Amino acid sequence: EDKVVQSPLSLVVHEGDTVTLNCSYEVTNFRSLLWYKQEKKAPTFLFMLTSSGIEKKSGRLSSILDKKELFSILNITATQTGDSAIYLCAVDPVGGNKLVFGAGTILRVKS
Amino acid sequence: SAVISQKPSRDICQRGTSLTIQCQVDSQVTMMFWYRQQPGQSLTLIATANQGSEATYESGFVIDKFPISRPNLTFSTLTVSNMSPEDSSIYLCSGTPSSYNEQFFGPGTRLTVL
Repeated sequence: EDKVVQSPLSLVVHEGDTVTLNCSYEVTNFRSLLWYKQEKKAPTFLFMLTSSGIEKKSGRLSSILDKKELFSILNITATQTGDSAIYLCAVDPVGGNKLVFGAGTILRVKS
Repeated sequence: SAVISQKPSRDICQRGTSLTIQCQVDSQVTMMFWYRQQPGQSLTLIATANQGSEATYESGFVIDKFPISRPNLTFSTLTVSNMSPEDSSIYLCSGTPSSYNEQFFGPGTRLTVL
């Protein structure tokens, strides 16, 4: 059974801190890994990763994939209260876009 | 990117009734999906909405309980039938222009069944 595991499950930091969120996966086939941010209801897309070792960056957020060790990390530098959200990792195991989601990491940034 | 809207945004329903959720995309998308997010849990795929044909359901979900329509490339509906309190959840639709693109999600429908 395809599985995506995220850690930690929750995290509380202070504004300005740097955080690293982890995502490991076990899938029979792999095409891509995606990160989403969920603040209220709709997950908003952050990154899609398909190749190992290539960092994707957007402002203070960055992510990288290791296909050999089957994991990805999402880094957020200089955190702000607006970064408080659930961060979801999902894997597309067969190329049909049928995403398998992890349980998410709840991030709370305190001012 | 695609902009996706859903109606209703929330509803409170009585046990045994049915609710149809609408999903509208502002551009044509090849693939559309329906997910469920139960309280405190992550997203679980219910089915792939296929244009002009029957939806493809994931294990644990059946057409009689969750009938889906997709008459064109920008619109889909999900019906939650014969509801029970266990169906209380957020239901989200998503779309993607192709199997090589990221999925974009609608704002979700928060359903409470009494």
